[in-house]
Amino acid sequence: ELKVEQNPLFLSMQEGKNYTIYCNYSTTSDRLYWYRQDPGKSLESLFVLLSNGAVKQEGRLMASLDTKARLSTLHITAAVHDLSATYFCAVDIWGGGADGLTFGKGTHLIIQP
Amino acid sequence: DTAVSQTPKYLVTQMGNDKSIKCEQNLGHDTMYWYKQDSKKFLKIMFSYNNKELIINETVPNRFSPKSPDKAHLNLHINSLELGDSAVYFCASSQEDSSKNIQYFGAGTRLSVL
Repeated sequence: ELKVEQNPLFLSMQEGKNYTIYCNYSTTSDRLYWYRQDPGKSLESLFVLLSNGAVKQEGRLMASLDTKARLSTLHITAAVHDLSATYFCAVDIWGGGADGLTFGKGTHLIIQP
Repeated sequence: DTAVSQTPKYLVTQMGNDKSIKCEQNLGHDTMYWYKQDSKKFLKIMFSYNNKELIINETVPNRFSPKSPDKAHLNLHINSLELGDSAVYFCASSQEDSSKNIQYFGAGTRLSVL
């Protein structure tokens, strides 16, 4: 059974600081996703990482993938309040086709002024 | 235009009732999904449906049944609702043969069973 573990599950940080969210998964997968969810809202796709060593950046967020370690990271640089949300990593269950995603439990991020 | 739309947004009902949630996508995708998000925000796949192939998460009770009249719609029917079915249900869609296969999510349906 595929397992996806995120840590930390809860993170409170101050504006201007840097931090990293970690995502470990238990079996080989072709694709690793990061999503953002605001309270009471839907999930918004942030990044999809397709290969070992892949790095994607958007604004203050940067995601990377190490398929050998089965680890992805989401790094936040100089955090701002607008980045407060819950962040999920997810992995294709079967690595192709009409796959559902297996999600981590999410990291609830609060950025305080 | 909303890409993946679900109705209703909120659904409050009594135990034992039967209810349906509708989902439509206008992205031209060939695969649709249903997820359940519980009170702890944990998301779990329930079904995926592609070209008339249904893949079911084996942990989903058979009181839940997806129905797809065409590839732009995947509705969720729930029979004999139970308290534990209270959750937010998300519909999603993707294009299977794209390299990224990004899933786009609807706004969710918050189901409360009393």
